Amino acid sequence: AIQLTQSPSSLSASVGDRVTITCRASQGISSALAWYQQKPGKAPKLLIYDASSLESGVPSRFSGSGSGTDFTLTISSLQPEDFATYYCQQFNSYPMYSFGQGTKLEIK
Amino acid sequence: EVQLVQSGAEVKKPGESLKISCKGSGYSFTSYWIGWVRQMPGKGLEWMGIIYPGDSDTRYSPSFQGQVTISADKSISTAYLQWSSLKASDTAMYYCARRITIFGTAFDIWGQGTMVTVSS
Repeated sequence: AIQLTQSPSSLSASVGDRVTITCRASQGISSALAWYQQKPGKAPKLLIYDASSLESGVPSRFSGSGSGTDFTLTISSLQPEDFATYYCQQFNSYPMYSFGQGTKLEIK
Repeated sequence: EVQLVQSGAEVKKPGESLKISCKGSGYSFTSYWIGWVRQMPGKGLEWMGIIYPGDSDTRYSPSFQGQVTISADKSISTAYLQWSSLKASDTAMYYCARRITIFGTAFDIWGQGTMVTVSS
């Protein structure tokens, strides 16, 4: 099974900061990766699909990059509403679409 | 509006059975895969399995194979997740989600979640 490892597991940052979260796959997954944002008590929300495609309605400060085994989610200028937990999910290994362990983004 | 609406919170005793639901609307329910995801209290997201309502093709994560049953009734645009004998360790929030396209690399629409509490 493909394992996804996110780093860091938690992160403190300030409004206006540029933030990067990394997701590393245990084997190559091409571009079959999504990123989600989850706020407490809410369902996950899709941000990025196909590793770098921005979901409709998601602010352009979010971007994704990478292919193969290394992927990043970047928030160019943190806004107060961006403090949440972020997850990556791979779709290369049918039907085991595993998630990363999550990265909690907190206010500094 | 495209949405998935899940059934309400459940409180059950160990050994009891349970079936929770996920009703799709605003789109062709039979044309999109539906996945199920578990989130235990304070923990991350875990992939459980997936069903294609058009033909009920169903696949499970090895971690959940034999522990749960995923099904769908396309006549009422509803997917299900069921247990025959609940354990305390099944206490969690369960989400259903729609795959973005038939071979797509994301789940774009999520249900609001169903909290299942198993306690004696």
